Amino acid sequence: NAGVTQTPKFRILKIGQSMTLQCTQDMNHNYMYWYRQDPGMGLKLIYYSVGAGITDKGEVPNGYNVSRSTTEDFPLRLELAAPSQTSVYFCASSSQGAYGYTFGSGTRLTVV
Amino acid sequence: GQSLEQPSEVTAVEGAIVQINCTYQTSGFYGLSWYQQHDGGAPTFLSYNALDGLEETGRFSSFLSRSDSYGYLLLQELQMKDSASYFCALGGKLIFGQGTELSVKP
Repeated sequence: NAGVTQTPKFRILKIGQSMTLQCTQDMNHNYMYWYRQDPGMGLKLIYYSVGAGITDKGEVPNGYNVSRSTTEDFPLRLELAAPSQTSVYFCASSSQGAYGYTFGSGTRLTVV
Repeated sequence: GQSLEQPSEVTAVEGAIVQINCTYQTSGFYGLSWYQQHDGGAPTFLSYNALDGLEETGRFSSFLSRSDSYGYLLLQELQMKDSASYFCALGGKLIFGQGTELSVKP
């Protein structure tokens, strides 16, 4: 099925470990975004990309890094994981930029 | 910067009509979107307004007034499955509001 695929679905990390959250879309969308959502809260923008080779910071970029070498893939890197990074992470993509985003099913990350 | 405000909770009964309001602040406007999220799952796109007025999509309608920096989502003929969180979001960087949890009672 076409859409946005996120892996892994669940992960437990120890403090100080690093990991990469994968996001792939097969809709040839230029716009891709990473969000985090804490319990009972809205989605906070971490990083976004408007095309391959172009990335920019969102509202809460500290502790994260991204790259966009292809149109399809937009991985999110966590360096030196901290308990404050315990959250659900969503990746989204769109062809329009302003609306119509398709979200992945999320990665539930716990840092202990 | 950009910010949005919406009520945290709304309760309505099955078959009724409910309106979820959203006010926003932004220096550049690229439209207002609405998303639905069930039980922490993937948000799904509902509606988008770039210009003033009403957009209708089945039981869902969305309204925008750019002069008032205000929009709302209108849900008609409420069903139990409409119980979810609803988010307004500003276009451009797609910044989300905190969400409104809608509870539909029998």
